Amino acid sequence: DAGITQSPRYKITETGRQVTLMCHQTWSHSYMFWYRQDLGHGLRLIYYSAAADITDKGEVSDGYVVSRSKTENFPLTLESATRSQTSVYFCASSGYSNQPQHFGDGTRLSIL
Amino acid sequence: AQSVSQHNHHVILSEAASLELGCNYSYGGTVNLFWYVQYPGQHLQLLLKYFSGDPLVKGIKGFEAEFIKSKFSFNLRKPSVQWSDTAEYFCAVNLMENNDMRFGAGTRLTVKP
Repeated sequence: DAGITQSPRYKITETGRQVTLMCHQTWSHSYMFWYRQDLGHGLRLIYYSAAADITDKGEVSDGYVVSRSKTENFPLTLESATRSQTSVYFCASSGYSNQPQHFGDGTRLSIL
Repeated sequence: AQSVSQHNHHVILSEAASLELGCNYSYGGTVNLFWYVQYPGQHLQLLLKYFSGDPLVKGIKGFEAEFIKSKFSFNLRKPSVQWSDTAEYFCAVNLMENNDMRFGAGTRLTVKP
């Protein structure tokens, strides 16, 4: 099953560049989430979306932008990448906000 | 501040040993509770969840967790671990009032064959 796919799987870029991470889900889930995973911090919520055109900030949203023009897509953009944004990024989706989330395989982003 | 605490950063066990991973949260309202597992190089997968009812919840692969409301805890247990249980385990708490989902920092479990 396709489920939830993230692209790219790996990305290396330089500070100051704009980077967009893609997330696509095939379940028609209403809710979609972006997390970053860092050693010692677990997963921290960056942004989430309850439906198309509805997005809300999470715990660590500074420096990130999201959009959700279609239910199935939830791209995450780093407008001007910084070294502190080097991380593994996970996208997730769920039918309702309190339901278990289904995670993508992650994007490992390195900013030099 | 609202938080989820996992007491152990890294746990090392031998096969057949019993496992208990601690999880405490600081939310005062109604919560849904989850344990996820992340095998090396893979994405997070749901192990078990608690919404209401019996506070002892059974999940996949022989895992179970007990919700103790008075202690704000949701500890994960398995009577006898296997080498294949080597992974990172994350506790997550959803506060129903505001859709907030918070994850703990994770506990890495290493099972020695």
